[in-house]
Amino acid sequence: KAGVTQTPRYLIKTRGQQVTLSCSPISGHRSVSWYQQTPGQGLQFLFEYFSETQRNKGNFPGRFSGRQFSNSRSEMNVSTLELGDSALYLCASSLPSLAATDTQYFGPGTRLTVL
Amino acid sequence: AQSVSQHNHHVILSEAASLELGCNYSYGGTVNLFWYVQYPGQHLQLLLKYFSGDPLVKGIKGFEAEFIKSKFSFNLRKPSVQWSDTAEYFCAVILPDTGRRALTFGSGTRLQVQP
Repeated sequence: KAGVTQTPRYLIKTRGQQVTLSCSPISGHRSVSWYQQTPGQGLQFLFEYFSETQRNKGNFPGRFSGRQFSNSRSEMNVSTLELGDSALYLCASSLPSLAATDTQYFGPGTRLTVL
Repeated sequence: AQSVSQHNHHVILSEAASLELGCNYSYGGTVNLFWYVQYPGQHLQLLLKYFSGDPLVKGIKGFEAEFIKSKFSFNLRKPSVQWSDTAEYFCAVILPDTGRRALTFGSGTRLQVQP
């Protein structure tokens, strides 16, 4: 089975621009979560989608948004980029049981650099 | 809000040494606990998880962890490390009673194994 794929792998943007990142979950997985990884703040939860609905949201400003499509693929968007948005953005998918014990499988991430 | 503490930020060991990485969480209710590993240039992957039952959990690659509820701890152990265990290790928690499946991660421990 193919793993979680994320595109693009690397991205360079300038302040004020917006960016869209894409995540394709493992086949059969319907839950997709997004995390931000930075050296200063570590790994932080952004949001979770299940069946095209946002189920949970982390403590991030409204500039961060996401969506999920009927094929479970997900996108996250960051508008009005700031220097502090430079990070590795990780996507994780898991089975559709919604059990907290389900393993979240992580993708390789998209490294976003904001200049 | 719950938090996860990993007090060892950087650990250096020689091959064949024993490993114990500390993880403490701050939440009095039911917890699901995880250890993830991030090898250089690779995805985050699950080492092991605990959600109920035997507090001693065995994972992949010879790792194990012990859940001690009275100490709010979930320390990771390996009797004999190898050079290939060089990686960053993250402890994480989910609070199933909240209905949220967001992983809260510790700050990570960078393990360097010297040959």
